[in-house]
Amino acid sequence: ELKVEQNPLFLSMQEGKNYTIYCNYSTTSDRLYWYRQDPGKSLESLFVLLSNGAVKQEGRLMASLDTKARLSTLHITAAVHDLSATYFCAVDRGYGGATNKLIFGTGTLLAVQP
Amino acid sequence: GAVVSQHPSWVICKSGTSVKIECRSLDFQATTMFWYRQFPKQSLMLMATSNEGSKATYEQGVEKDKFLINHASLTLSTLTVTSAHPEDSSFYICSARAEYEAFFGQGTRLTVV
Repeated sequence: ELKVEQNPLFLSMQEGKNYTIYCNYSTTSDRLYWYRQDPGKSLESLFVLLSNGAVKQEGRLMASLDTKARLSTLHITAAVHDLSATYFCAVDRGYGGATNKLIFGTGTLLAVQP
Repeated sequence: GAVVSQHPSWVICKSGTSVKIECRSLDFQATTMFWYRQFPKQSLMLMATSNEGSKATYEQGVEKDKFLINHASLTLSTLTVTSAHPEDSSFYICSARAEYEAFFGQGTRLTVV
């Protein structure tokens, strides 16, 4: 059974600081996704990582994937209050495309303090 | 990107009644859609996979007679919560995939009173 774990579960950080969220998964997969969720809202896609060594950056967020270690990281640079949200990683369960199930991590609640 | 529309956004119903939630892929065809449930401060839990023209596949522990799924066309899947009880109150989110991308509906907040 595929398990996806994130840490930390809760992260309180000051504006301007850097931090990393970790996502570990238990079985082989080459595709990992990061999402943001604001309170009461659905998911916003942040990154799609499709191969080992993939690195993507958007603004103050950078995501990477190491399929051999079954680990993905989401790095936050110089945090700002607008980044406060819950962040989820998700891993493909299966080998197809449109029929693959996404299994979500436990989530990390990020609170950026002024 | 592709759009998945979910309706209604929120619904309040009385205990014992049934509620139907619709999920539509607006600009692409989806032979497979997924239904997730999210309780407050928790992650998304996959409930079932909706397959166009055939029976849905339910995850372990999900009651198929309680959560009825119909995927009658390539752009519409529905989830009906039958005989709803307060413990069914949750945030329900549908998803459809196009190749590697996954697109999510706006979610439906169900409150059973």
